[in-house]
Amino acid sequence: SQWGEENLQALSIQEGEDVTMNCSYKTYTTVVQWYRQKSGKGPAQLILIRSNEREKRSGRLRATLDTSSQSSSLSITGTLATDTAVYFCATDRTNTGKLTFGDGTVLTVKP
Amino acid sequence: DAGVTQTPRHEVAEKGQTIILKCEPVSGHNDLFWYRQTKIQGLELLSYFRSKSLMEDGGAFKDRFKAEMLNSSFSTLKIQPTEPKDSAVYLCASSLGGANTEVFFGKGTRLTVV
Repeated sequence: SQWGEENLQALSIQEGEDVTMNCSYKTYTTVVQWYRQKSGKGPAQLILIRSNEREKRSGRLRATLDTSSQSSSLSITGTLATDTAVYFCATDRTNTGKLTFGDGTVLTVKP
Repeated sequence: DAGVTQTPRHEVAEKGQTIILKCEPVSGHNDLFWYRQTKIQGLELLSYFRSKSLMEDGGAFKDRFKAEMLNSSFSTLKIQPTEPKDSAVYLCASSLGGANTEVFFGKGTRLTVV
């Protein structure tokens, strides 16, 4: 799992497997956003989940949010080699749109 | 439909030089962010503008880093003088502004200081 200010994590799986990445945050946030960054590109948003939502889905992606434990997860079902990337969670500590990013999870999906 | 455009994509500078990185945000966006990305520190916020006004100028980066936004469609990040530890990817991002909005990132400028 990744934390707001802690170490980069790495996962390596085979194509077709499901994967879940976790994120814990330390301060209040109104929203958790999940971003994906592929090599040579900037991060791109995948899912935004608000503090009054427990779960959000988008295609093969599913994000959950537990505000009581200050944690979120991102699951990908039926992974593809093209899902290989770094995945970040981001929180909005000041409720202004200014995001604080976690350290990220490096996901490698082997074909 | 243009996203966030950053130039140059790569920059090599000698220690002590002044470099200027450029960013064009998504048209109509009110917020603009400069981040620095390294493997060790991850994504660190350098500066944050709202409607061209500087809202945050990241503490540790104040002395040699200066971001400006002279108009709503263009921002610069000046590093003066550069040091080898400034080697990183510099990302510019923009959003409509406010909580719960998506932030759009450029592809970044990879800076190498030798």
